[in-house]
Amino acid sequence: SQTIHQWPATLVQPVGSPLSLECTVEGTSNPNLYWYRQAAGRGLQLLFYSVGIGQISSEVPQNLSASRPQDRQFILSSKKLLLSDSGFYLCAWSEGLYNEQFFGPGTRLTVL
Amino acid sequence: AQKITQTQPGMFVQEKEAVTLDCTYDTSDPSYGLFWYKQPSSGEMIFLIYQGSYDQQNATEGRYSLNFQKARKSANLVISASQLGDSAMYFCAMSLSGSARQLTFGSGTQLTVLP
Repeated sequence: SQTIHQWPATLVQPVGSPLSLECTVEGTSNPNLYWYRQAAGRGLQLLFYSVGIGQISSEVPQNLSASRPQDRQFILSSKKLLLSDSGFYLCAWSEGLYNEQFFGPGTRLTVL
Repeated sequence: AQKITQTQPGMFVQEKEAVTLDCTYDTSDPSYGLFWYKQPSSGEMIFLIYQGSYDQQNATEGRYSLNFQKARKSANLVISASQLGDSAMYFCAMSLSGSARQLTFGSGTQLTVLP
């Protein structure tokens, strides 16, 4: 069966520091991968998605970036965090022929 | 551009009763998918049910059913026989055709089941 991992689960970072959140999927090949952000009490906003290695599409211009160095690995990064980057970050995957997206446990990021 | 609207920020239901959570959508694409997700206080997003735009019948999954009214562009979630564990935030979402099938989410409805 497929599983999706995210780490860290919780992160507190100062403004201006770098960020690296990692997401890995097991039990599937060539999945679509997604990064979402959820502000407190709000819905999810799609940040990036990837349909293959090295293929990244950005939905929202910001100081975040994403990379997919391996088939089942998706990384969210920033060189300098802003206060507005605080939120709950969720990684998700789906198979190309099917519709459901399955989410990881999320990373709660607080930027101070 | 596609849009999902959930007009109920919060809902209360008595245990063992049924509840309907509203969702309307807007898209000009004839091919799309509609989803409901549950988010408990732990934060994980749990997939509940899916309805395709060309599906003739309403989707059902256990106690969850999706009341799909295409002409009205609504996709309401019905939870039958509510349980205390159903208390959570519920999100409606839509995907369009295409290989990426990225989701657009509504703002969510906080459901509280009362004992």
